[in-house]
Amino acid sequence: QQQVKQSPQSLIVQKGGIPIINCAYENTAFDYFPWYQQFPGKGPALLIAIRPDVSEKKEGRFTISFNKSAKQFSLHIMDSQPGDSATYFCAATYLMDSSYKLIFGSGTRLLVRP
Amino acid sequence: DSGVTQTPKHLITATGQRVTLRCSPRSGDLSVYWYQQSLDQGLQFLIQYYNGEERAKGNILERFSAQQFPDLHSELNLSSLELGDSALYFCASSANLQGDVSYNEQFFGPGTRLTVL
Repeated sequence: QQQVKQSPQSLIVQKGGIPIINCAYENTAFDYFPWYQQFPGKGPALLIAIRPDVSEKKEGRFTISFNKSAKQFSLHIMDSQPGDSATYFCAATYLMDSSYKLIFGSGTRLLVRP
Repeated sequence: DSGVTQTPKHLITATGQRVTLRCSPRSGDLSVYWYQQSLDQGLQFLIQYYNGEERAKGNILERFSAQQFPDLHSELNLSSLELGDSALYFCASSANLQGDVSYNEQFFGPGTRLTVL
């Protein structure tokens, strides 16, 4: 129940395409859903996050769509660029013992071809 | 730049040895988390400290230990190293205040790449 399932494992799109990464969860105690972007040899960086009472959030070319009833959420990258090539992790946060815990999905390796 | 610093950047050692990884959290953050990322693997949570005290344990081996010092920097000690311990080790920090979850977002350091030969 403390899992976040992420798909696909890898994704290749052409420049300008809209890659979509999907995540699903079971635990209804999750109350915050961040996405992290990681470039090779670097640490994950917080990209965008959404609360479960919001169905969509946009920040620049990145959009999270959230379906609370289906317990699914996804990341869309509009007008993707080669510089967006990275590994993307979805995650979910829940409160336990007065401390927030973060559960990561398995990651999606995105390649945007020029 | 997340504001979290980690040293060293790279570490090469032999099996059976012991190493110490160091992390300084963002200014003002009280919570430190350690993660392990093996090749082509996701992020595995190891352990969390909050204001000097252990707060949560994940998939941390008994050969591994950590501590957080009064100045809030943290060290992860890895002993009796095995080939399979080769990985990227990340430290993250958060404010971990009571209240809104967005105040508890985790910010990651650049990582330490450990190679065990």
